[in-house]
Amino acid sequence: NAGVIQTPRHKVTGKGQEATLWCEPISGHSAVFWYRQTIVQGLEFLTYFRNQAPIDDSGMPKERFSAQMPNQSHSTLKIQSTQPQDSAVYLCASSVSQNTLYFGAGTRLSVL
Amino acid sequence: GQQVQQSPASLVLQEGENAELQCNFSTSLNSMQWFYQRPGGSLVSLFYNPSGTKHSGRLTSTTVIKERRSSLHISSSQTTDSGTYLCALDMDSNYQLIWGSGTKLIIKP
Repeated sequence: NAGVIQTPRHKVTGKGQEATLWCEPISGHSAVFWYRQTIVQGLEFLTYFRNQAPIDDSGMPKERFSAQMPNQSHSTLKIQSTQPQDSAVYLCASSVSQNTLYFGAGTRLSVL
Repeated sequence: GQQVQQSPASLVLQEGENAELQCNFSTSLNSMQWFYQRPGGSLVSLFYNPSGTKHSGRLTSTTVIKERRSSLHISSSQTTDSGTYLCALDMDSNYQLIWGSGTKLIIKP
């Protein structure tokens, strides 16, 4: 079991460019979460899928952020027209139920 | 106000000393989870503790619902214990975790 896999580990984009982040949850886990972590804000919930269906995206900045889970083996978080304030570590986590979350190593996004 | 308050914000100890981290919560609780994060590293789950006391090696988690608190105790601390410890409250019938602000633990040799 390789755990939750996130790619890339680091991504650098120019202001206005698009960034796509990938997450492969642990096989058999029905829930996938996306979080964002910054020093100032700490951990912020972005969105949540259960059995591939989007359940809640209340944490997502509406205009430029979108997340999908086209199949049970991966989820993507896309940020259009990236801005410097989007710079953060984006964390993906999966779980079997409401119990323990298993986090990936995160993708560090730097928007120049 | 904040639903989960974590303390202390930072803690510096000598190797061998015990560490006590606390989270107080003001809302209903399904469970409290404790996570550890090394600088630049991913979050690692330490405990999923709805109530009572759980042990894992030198770590002990105690959740007392009536007192609205959960603690993480690290005995005989080691330099490798250094990092950030986060508590996260799992509310009833709610998949969203409410996160504490974290405790930065530094263990000096």
